Amino acid sequence: GQNIDQPTEMTATEGAIVQINCTYQTSGFNGLFWYQQHAGEAPTFLSYNVLDGLEEKGRFSSFLSRSKGYSYLLLKELQMKDSASYLCAVRDSNYQLIWGAGTKLIIKP
Amino acid sequence: DGGITQSPKYLFRKEGQNVTLSCEQNLNHDAMYWYRQDPGQGLRLIYYSQIVNDFQKGDIAEGYSVSREKKESFPLTVTSAQKNPTAFYLCASSYRVAGGTDTQYFGPGTRLTVL
Repeated sequence: GQNIDQPTEMTATEGAIVQINCTYQTSGFNGLFWYQQHAGEAPTFLSYNVLDGLEEKGRFSSFLSRSKGYSYLLLKELQMKDSASYLCAVRDSNYQLIWGAGTKLIIKP
Repeated sequence: DGGITQSPKYLFRKEGQNVTLSCEQNLNHDAMYWYRQDPGQGLRLIYYSQIVNDFQKGDIAEGYSVSREKKESFPLTVTSAQKNPTAFYLCASSYRVAGGTDTQYFGPGTRLTVL
């Protein structure tokens, strides 16, 4: 079966750096997405990786290793507004998105 | 402004009633999707449509129905056959690209509570 694993919850301090990991086992691979979802709101697109390596976008970076079935989202200079759930999703060989359950990130002052 | 709208944001229905959730987009996207989100779980695909007048079942289509008569609109009906309909429903849309579909963008969601 297809599976995406992410930690359920993480806690970090304002101003610090946090890394959220995602491992996947899917039928084929056509890209990996990270979304941010604040409580009660819709997911918003953060990043997309299809080749191995690091993609940087401001305070957020996303890394992919296809051979290891692994990605991480790195958030720097954490702000209170970064408190949210972070969803990892993999597009399989049929171009369907397989979603992880999300990681709830709690930022403490 | 381009975007995806869902209405209403909150919806209450009595058990046994059918209810239709609205989803409209003006992004000129070809593909549209309906997901269900329950606490502690990932998004689960209910139905999707890549072109007008065509749609496919997702992983949890039982008890739901859709139509795609216009490119901009993809309404979802939650029927009385859906055993546990209380959930957060999200509509998304994307362009089609060679081989499949592009990044999905989401509407604000509808929280349905069945009493």
